[in-house]
Amino acid sequence: GESVGLHLPTLSVQEGDNSIINCAYSNSASDYFIWYKQESGKGPQFIIDIRSNMDKRQGQRVTVLLNKTVKHLSLQIAATQPGDSAVYFCAETGDSNYQLIWGAGTKLIIKP
Amino acid sequence: NAGVTQTPKFQVLKTGQSMTLQCAQDMNHNSMYWYRQDPGMGLRLIYYSASEGTTDKGEVPNGYNVSRLNKREFSLRLESAAPSQTSVYFCASSDAGQGDQPQHFGDGTRLSIL
Repeated sequence: GESVGLHLPTLSVQEGDNSIINCAYSNSASDYFIWYKQESGKGPQFIIDIRSNMDKRQGQRVTVLLNKTVKHLSLQIAATQPGDSAVYFCAETGDSNYQLIWGAGTKLIIKP
Repeated sequence: NAGVTQTPKFQVLKTGQSMTLQCAQDMNHNSMYWYRQDPGMGLRLIYYSASEGTTDKGEVPNGYNVSRLNKREFSLRLESAAPSQTSVYFCASSDAGQGDQPQHFGDGTRLSIL
């Protein structure tokens, strides 16, 4: 079936280092991908998105990379800060713009 | 900047009781969604409304009903609550019908069924 999975459920990073969170997807028809950040007790917060006609997109301290050949998505966070501690989810549109396919999430832990 | 507002934030029910979760958005989005999130898991879509006047089942619709009251409001009803419905419920909205657009979420309703 369709699925979006994450390679690492927990990632620990030293404060100030860069973080890379990975995501694999299986539906080659997906043409839109989104990264969300979820802090404890809150709803998912949109971080950055990318369309399938792009390989890379940059935001403020975040970069998303898309490799359609191997169906891989990654989120890079530069100079990780304590406020980046959260669970990060990738999501893809699959066959429908309305029914996102969600990964299980990666918990990012920042070490002081 | 209210965005998506959900009420209540917390609720405890007994098995068999009924309950309606409320959601309102002020972003003039056409589409609205209801998800559940179980501990340590991702989100699963219960129902969605692509536009005012339409609703469709998602991945896990059994035991739930929805109403798209108007463009702003989308409610989720549990007619006879079961312990398996203990979860955190999130409402979201988007302009998905306008092309690729992200969904924006409320902060959830934490529901416990005893």
